[in-house]
Amino acid sequence: GEDVEQSLFLSVREGDSSVINCTYTDSSSTYLYWYKQEPGAGLQLLTYIFSNMDMKQDQRLTVLLNKKDKHLSLRIADTQTGDSAIYFCAESTGGSYIPTFGRGTSLIVHP
Amino acid sequence: DAGVTQSPTHLIKTRGQHVTLRCSPISGHKSVSWYQQVLGQGPQFIFQYYEKEERGRGNFPDRFSARQFPNYSSELNVNALLLGDSALYLCASSLERTPREQFFGPGTRLTVL
Repeated sequence: GEDVEQSLFLSVREGDSSVINCTYTDSSSTYLYWYKQEPGAGLQLLTYIFSNMDMKQDQRLTVLLNKKDKHLSLRIADTQTGDSAIYFCAESTGGSYIPTFGRGTSLIVHP
Repeated sequence: DAGVTQSPTHLIKTRGQHVTLRCSPISGHKSVSWYQQVLGQGPQFIFQYYEKEERGRGNFPDRFSARQFPNYSSELNVNALLLGDSALYLCASSLERTPREQFFGPGTRLTVL
């Protein structure tokens, strides 16, 4: 199976919260990342969490890590139409820190 | 401050040709990494260069090569192009050798006919 798995699509109403989920297989993962990719653009690093943390909050973004279940989530509060994009989960292990990406979750925000 | 820049933006080649893609990192960044993103997939790591030396290589054939110059800019070369090489090629730069925080360029869209 894939090293990093994400659901492919998520549709939410403007103003609601969005929760994008990710599972990974490597128990030695050191850093876990969330990237955003808008159409025709490169990737933007949104946030990352070190594996010894459970939660990280940054303005409207909340990252939760369940290391036992190898589950990572990204919550976007008060989702706006400008948040419509593809969100990639990625993990890296110590040493090289080269991230392995999931296939991305396409977030669609409708009015 | 300028972000990571890549050239060209788009490129169309035919099978068997070779291609050179270019990347300029953020000023002060010494590490450059290259990724291939096929439509509908996440980026896949190709190479990392730090201080002009190759520091990591992904699972790509020898047709793919790269180098980093004294000013830390980088080139990715692909020989004997195949249809399957059609993808968005992303360059990312980081301050440190271990790229915990990478900043991506907009990419070069390569189409192989």
